[in-house]
Amino acid sequence: QVQLQESGPGLVKPSETLSLTCTVSGGSVSSAGYYWSWIRQPPGKGLEYIGYIYYTGSTTYNPSLKSRVTISVDTSKNQFSLRLSSVTTADTAVYFCARVSYDLFTGYAFDIWGLGTMVTVSS
Amino acid sequence: SSELTQDPAVSVALGQTVRITCQGDGLRSYFATWYQQKPGQAPVLVIYGKNSRPSGIPDRFSASSSGSTASLTITGAQAEDEADYYCMSRDSSGDYWLFGGGTRLAVL
Repeated sequence: QVQLQESGPGLVKPSETLSLTCTVSGGSVSSAGYYWSWIRQPPGKGLEYIGYIYYTGSTTYNPSLKSRVTISVDTSKNQFSLRLSSVTTADTAVYFCARVSYDLFTGYAFDIWGLGTMVTVSS
Repeated sequence: SSELTQDPAVSVALGQTVRITCQGDGLRSYFATWYQQKPGQAPVLVIYGKNSRPSGIPDRFSASSSGSTASLTITGAQAEDEADYYCMSRDSSGDYWLFGGGTRLAVL
């Protein structure tokens, strides 16, 4: 079955760029009808959608983060990545990657999630 | 509107029925999906589409929708259903996804 695994530094300094990678196993990021997304959750708070990418490179982002976010995909490595620039302590969170499935009749669903990785922004 | 509103906390007696609601303008046009999250774990999809459950999700979980309100109902709540529940849908313009603030369910 498809599994997702986040990886990247657990500590980032303020004003620097947070970079995370999600590795997909048991499936392909190039599969039609699936999108690949990032979501985050600050400690003790709710979930926040960051953005998604399709294997063609098409992206959409949360407007509140759009100016600082870049999501990319590497089909040769079966991975997709998140870059968040100019981070502050408010960006401290657990970052999840997720697969988004789409069906004409049932719409979109974030059906498979990685375990998440904690990223702390601190000097 | 760019918000999905959920009650912060709800409680239910063991074996009873509980409804968790989610309000937002986008729900007039788009399905809500529902996620269960237990402490220290990743969210799990429990409902998608009009009222579909992924494989492995018990049939005591169901969904409904009316106007700008979507609901998740647990019929015969079990102790293992104690968790945070999040709704998610599109904003009213359909440009991006939103999560509700989450509802913490206590099973008494």
